[in-house]
Amino acid sequence: DQQVKQNSPSLSVQEGRISILNCDYTNSMFDYFLWYKKYPAEGPTFLISISSIKDKNEDGRFTVFLNKSAKHLSLHIVPSQPGDSAVYFCAASPNEKLTFGTGTRLTIIP
Amino acid sequence: DAGVTQSPTHLIKTRGQHVTLRCSPISGHKSVSWYQQVLGQGPQFIFQYYEKEERGRGNFPDRFSARQFPNYSSELNVNALLLGDSALYLCASSFGGGNTGELFFGEGSRLTVL
Repeated sequence: DQQVKQNSPSLSVQEGRISILNCDYTNSMFDYFLWYKKYPAEGPTFLISISSIKDKNEDGRFTVFLNKSAKHLSLHIVPSQPGDSAVYFCAASPNEKLTFGTGTRLTIIP
Repeated sequence: DAGVTQSPTHLIKTRGQHVTLRCSPISGHKSVSWYQQVLGQGPQFIFQYYEKEERGRGNFPDRFSARQFPNYSSELNVNALLLGDSALYLCASSFGGGNTGELFFGEGSRLTVL
């Protein structure tokens, strides 16, 4: 039972353009959502989060949008840079026990 | 400051053997969590410990066990290894006591079971 889904296994975006990564969830008990970034041979690194009481959170080039009625969140990266090439995981939490999606591999094309 | 450190980084075992993985959290962090990441999947929650007590357990068999020591480091033990236990085992630490889920992960221990 996949409670957090990332339906796009991969995404390629040209440098300087906007990258949009999507995530859907099914469990209404989730009240905190996070994005993690993972480079090969490294552990996941926290990127940005959003509480269920908000619908948008920004941090520099990264913005996360939450649509609770649709149980959908998205991560926008603008402008995209070559160093953004990595696997991005969406995660959800009613506490610190995170449920992760399967990840989206983002490739930024120079 | 040192991040989350895990050992060993790589190991190979055979079916039926036992393995112990170790984790040292970031200084000041009192909570340690363990996740299993199988190739092509996202990390799956195994255990969380806070102040040496188990706070949560994921959907894993009793062959998996863990503990947290007074210095907040932790061990994950897996008995009677199966081929399907081959995975990257990630340790994460946090201050604990809250519910934001902002965990700091180590680089992981890659276990191969032959």
